[in-house]
Amino acid sequence: KAGVTQTPRYLIKTRGQQVTLSCSPISGHRSVSWYQQTPGQGLQFLFEYFSETQRNKGNFPGRFSGRQFSNSRSEMNVSTLELGDSALYLCASRSQGSGNTIYFGEGSWLTVV
Amino acid sequence: QQQVKQSPQSLIVQKGGISIINCAYENTAFDYFPWYQQFPGKGPALLIAIRPDVSEKKEGRFTISFNKSAKQFSLHIMDSQPGDSATYFCAASTTSGTYKYIFGTGTRLKVLA
Repeated sequence: KAGVTQTPRYLIKTRGQQVTLSCSPISGHRSVSWYQQTPGQGLQFLFEYFSETQRNKGNFPGRFSGRQFSNSRSEMNVSTLELGDSALYLCASRSQGSGNTIYFGEGSWLTVV
Repeated sequence: QQQVKQSPQSLIVQKGGISIINCAYENTAFDYFPWYQQFPGKGPALLIAIRPDVSEKKEGRFTISFNKSAKQFSLHIMDSQPGDSATYFCAASTTSGTYKYIFGTGTRLKVLA
């Protein structure tokens, strides 16, 4: 079974631009969540989607948004990029049958210059 | 109340030794406590997890000890190996409604050969 797939793996953007990151969950998983990982703040929850509905949102500004499609694939978007948005963005998926366990992808490394 | 405090920040252990990482939480609504292992350039991978109805769970060389009254849990790595050198994150979550994880700040483990 393929794992969680995130694209792109690496990208460099300029301040003020926007970026869209993509996540394909493990087949059959309907819940997708996103986390931001930085050296200073660790792993912080961004949002969670289930069946195309956002169920929970972390403490991030409105520049961070996401969506989920009917095939459970998810995208997150960051608009008006700031230097502080440089981070590893991790997507995780969960199945109904796995209880609370979430499985992470390898992440998308975003550098804002 | 949402924080999970993890210590130590870094740990150096001789090959064959025992590595111990501790976490503490405050929110008594948490009822799922996983540990994740992360190698450089990779996403976090689930190592072992415990629910508060048991005080200990062992999987191979990895053991979680859980103290519900103290609201603390710890990861013990027996017979530590150089291949265990990674960053370890504890986390806490609830099993009702949202599946948002609160992560500890991570422990960078180095096992000397």
